[in-house]
Amino acid sequence: DIQMTQSPSTLSASVGDRVTITCRASQSISSWLAWYQQKPGKAPKLLIYKASSLESGVPSRFSGSGSGTEFILTISSLQPDDFATYYCQQYNSYSRTFGQGTKVEIK
Amino acid sequence: EVQLLESGGGLVQPGGSLRLSCAASGFTFSGYGMTWVRQAPGKGLEWVSTIIHTGGSTYYADSVKGRFTISRDNSKNTVYLQMDSLRAEDTAIYYCVKGRDGYYSNWGQGTLITVSS
Repeated sequence: DIQMTQSPSTLSASVGDRVTITCRASQSISSWLAWYQQKPGKAPKLLIYKASSLESGVPSRFSGSGSGTEFILTISSLQPDDFATYYCQQYNSYSRTFGQGTKVEIK
Repeated sequence: EVQLLESGGGLVQPGGSLRLSCAASGFTFSGYGMTWVRQAPGKGLEWVSTIIHTGGSTYYADSVKGRFTISRDNSKNTVYLQMDSLRAEDTAIYYCVKGRDGYYSNWGQGTLITVSS
């Protein structure tokens, strides 16, 4: 199975900060990567697919980049609604795998 | 509007069985693969199983292979997850998810399965 590793596991930031989260795959997954946001007690929400395509309705402050084995989720200016846990997910193989998550906390 | 409504969760003893259902609406159900993803309490997301739009192919995580069975009834717009030989480590919220080219565009609200004696 393809392993997905996110860093950091926890991130403390302030409103207005630029935030980056990294996701590394154990082997190349081309651009077959999605990012999700999850708030406590809620289901995850799709933010980004195919590494850099913004899902409809998602604010443009979210962006994704990368290909192969290294990917980045960027929040250009952190808003109060963005404090949540973020997950990457590969869909290069039918055995889908998620990263362990990155919790974005208020500094 | 896409809606995915899970049911069938609850408390079950180790070794027991449970069947989850997910009623879908708001899209052409027979045109999409469907997936179950779970999340143990306080933990991350784990892909469990996927069934393609026709039901002709199914895929399972190694952790559930041979114990869980995914199926669908396109006439009822419903996907199922039959869970047998349940273990404590299967305790989780189970989400029904609509697939789109391999990633997950819509999620249900989840149903909690607790495996405990």
